[in-house]
Amino acid sequence: AQSVSQHNHHVILSEAASLELGCNYSYGGTVNLFWYVQYPGQHLQLLLKYFSGDPLVKGIKGFEAEFIKSKFSFNLRKPSVQWSDTAEYFCACRPSGGYQKVTFGTGTKLQVIP
Amino acid sequence: EAGVTQFPSHSVIEKGQTVTLRCDPISGHDNLYWYRRVMGKEIKFLLHFVKESKQDESGMPNNRFLAERTGGTYSTLKVQPAELEDSGVYFCASSHPPGGVGTDTQYFGPGTRLTVL
Repeated sequence: AQSVSQHNHHVILSEAASLELGCNYSYGGTVNLFWYVQYPGQHLQLLLKYFSGDPLVKGIKGFEAEFIKSKFSFNLRKPSVQWSDTAEYFCACRPSGGYQKVTFGTGTKLQVIP
Repeated sequence: EAGVTQFPSHSVIEKGQTVTLRCDPISGHDNLYWYRRVMGKEIKFLLHFVKESKQDESGMPNNRFLAERTGGTYSTLKVQPAELEDSGVYFCASSHPPGGVGTDTQYFGPGTRLTVL
């Protein structure tokens, strides 16, 4: 069975700082990878996803993530965060092909200070 | 296009009572999923419907949980009788695989926060 590990549980940054949230997955085969975000009072939204092809994936709101297969990693990055990026971020993984369940990490709470 | 909706948004019940949660997926989405997040922990898969059939129910905690999707539209998740450890946020998600199985992205509802006292 697959698992997802998010290393940072709570991150505090000042506006304009760069962001990198770590995500590692454990699975022996090929995977689909996702980052979801939950803004305060809102539901989970998809930020970006990787299915295949270019390992550098660009998502909404200036976020990007890089799939490094050799490291089983899918870290989320943003060069300059804004106060509106304050939210909880979830990395998720699913074995590719067929009907497969999605496994989530424990989430990282990001607080951006103005 | 309306998103995934869930009802109720909050439910507070006493141990031993029954609660039924409802999920309305995005119209046309054959795949419907239930997840649960216990406070501070990861979001965990409960089960997956394809239309009205249960594709995978390996995440259901025990037989106090019963999910249905009659007619392949909305779904209900009943907890009977509820226990303290059932408290958490229950999410529903739906998807439609544009390129066939395994190509879908799940869209989530706002969740139902269940508190069992």
